[in-house]
Amino acid sequence: GAVVSQHPSWVICKSGTSVKIECRSLDFQATTMFWYRQFPKQSLMLMATSNEGSKATYEQGVEKDKFLINHASLTLSTLTVTSAHPEDSSFYICSARRPLSGDTLNYGYTFGSGTRLTVV
Amino acid sequence: AQKITQTQPGMFVQEKEAVTLDCTYDTSDQSYGLFWYKQPSSGEMIFLIYQGSYDEQNATEGRYSLNFQKARKSANLVISASQLGDSAMYFCAMREGIGAGNMLTFGGGTRLMVKP
Repeated sequence: GAVVSQHPSWVICKSGTSVKIECRSLDFQATTMFWYRQFPKQSLMLMATSNEGSKATYEQGVEKDKFLINHASLTLSTLTVTSAHPEDSSFYICSARRPLSGDTLNYGYTFGSGTRLTVV
Repeated sequence: AQKITQTQPGMFVQEKEAVTLDCTYDTSDQSYGLFWYKQPSSGEMIFLIYQGSYDEQNATEGRYSLNFQKARKSANLVISASQLGDSAMYFCAMREGIGAGNMLTFGGGTRLMVKP
């Protein structure tokens, strides 16, 4: 159980175009999802926290107008990279928060498989 | 200050031997959780093991165990009987508090290479 499906797994787009990345929780409801970016040989950096039915909370330095996040349902969150540029090329990965083994105080995090974005 | 520190950027281990990956953390919260993830070259993040701050016993999951030393704020991952498939990046992560929006903060990672 606890699967998060992320699509596409890779995408190449032209500079100036927009790209949408989807994350779906398949067998649980995810009221909170997180979006991370990972540059080669680096760790995961949190971009934003996505809450169902409300506006996303962005980390400092992340442009909210460039990285649009929508969490319209309990099972779907999307990240749209608008007017993409080569410096946006990166690995983007989502994560959904879920209770651990029925323990309502402790939560685990299930990750999607990631999206490798290349902007040319 | 770094919240999660992994001091070993890369490590080699001989197949079938045990290996310890270091992780230290910094928090003033009383309630927190510590996680270890494995990231193979495909990029997916595979959950390995979890330790809650109030758990008195060290967590174990198959060949993985977490050496939790609360006073020293360390949460080292021990992999026993290493296999070639264990070669990957390993990330230590922490969730502070128990709030609904609390996210994971990751360490810089350790690349483990298992030698045949």
